[in-house]
Amino acid sequence: RKEVEQDPGPFNVPEGATVAFNCTYSNSASQSFFWYRQDCRKEPKLLMSVYSSGNEDGRFTAQLNRASQYISLLIRDSKLSDSATYLCVVNMNSNSGYALNFGKGTSLLVTP
Amino acid sequence: EPEVTQTPSHQVTQMGQEVILRCVPISNHLYFYWYRQILGQKVEFLVSFYNNEISEKSEIFDDQFSVERPDGSNFTLKIRSTKLEDSAMYFCASKVRGGQETQYFGPGTRLLVL
Repeated sequence: RKEVEQDPGPFNVPEGATVAFNCTYSNSASQSFFWYRQDCRKEPKLLMSVYSSGNEDGRFTAQLNRASQYISLLIRDSKLSDSATYLCVVNMNSNSGYALNFGKGTSLLVTP
Repeated sequence: EPEVTQTPSHQVTQMGQEVILRCVPISNHLYFYWYRQILGQKVEFLVSFYNNEISEKSEIFDDQFSVERPDGSNFTLKIRSTKLEDSAMYFCASKVRGGQETQYFGPGTRLLVL
């Protein structure tokens, strides 16, 4: 299974800061891309899907560059509640199983 | 809002024992998954299940593992003879259909093998 690479961090930022996470994936056949959020000892929860045209959801903006096999997530105006691990996730659509391939995650700590 | 549920939340077992982890996917979902996460490591795919059969499995999912959908609601993962290295959080996930549909994860079962 091909890899999804992320900077593990931790990223320590003050409230209100803007922070960006990057991710690269090795399999050019990858079809779908996501950012999930995982709180300590909890399940992954979908933050947003990532589309080629880029997409925004409130304070969160995701970008995809298929040519470079690169995905990014930008968080503006960070809140204390944004503290979590952010997982870059890629779906290969192989064998119709649509299994998700996870990065190790980037840890974010937003401080007062 | 419908959600995936898993039982038990925690399980402690002795090495060599069989364990069955249970999941109730969201009711109208057709694709089911098991993932695991060893403490401090990434979430890893184990198996996907559709139309009452395994559609894909990883190299982790060896002969010690099996899955079953015994009725219209439950989806189970059985580990036949647990090893110490099976200690992990096991997540069940489901999604309504193929393609780019979101996979929804259950809260997980934390398995500790002694």
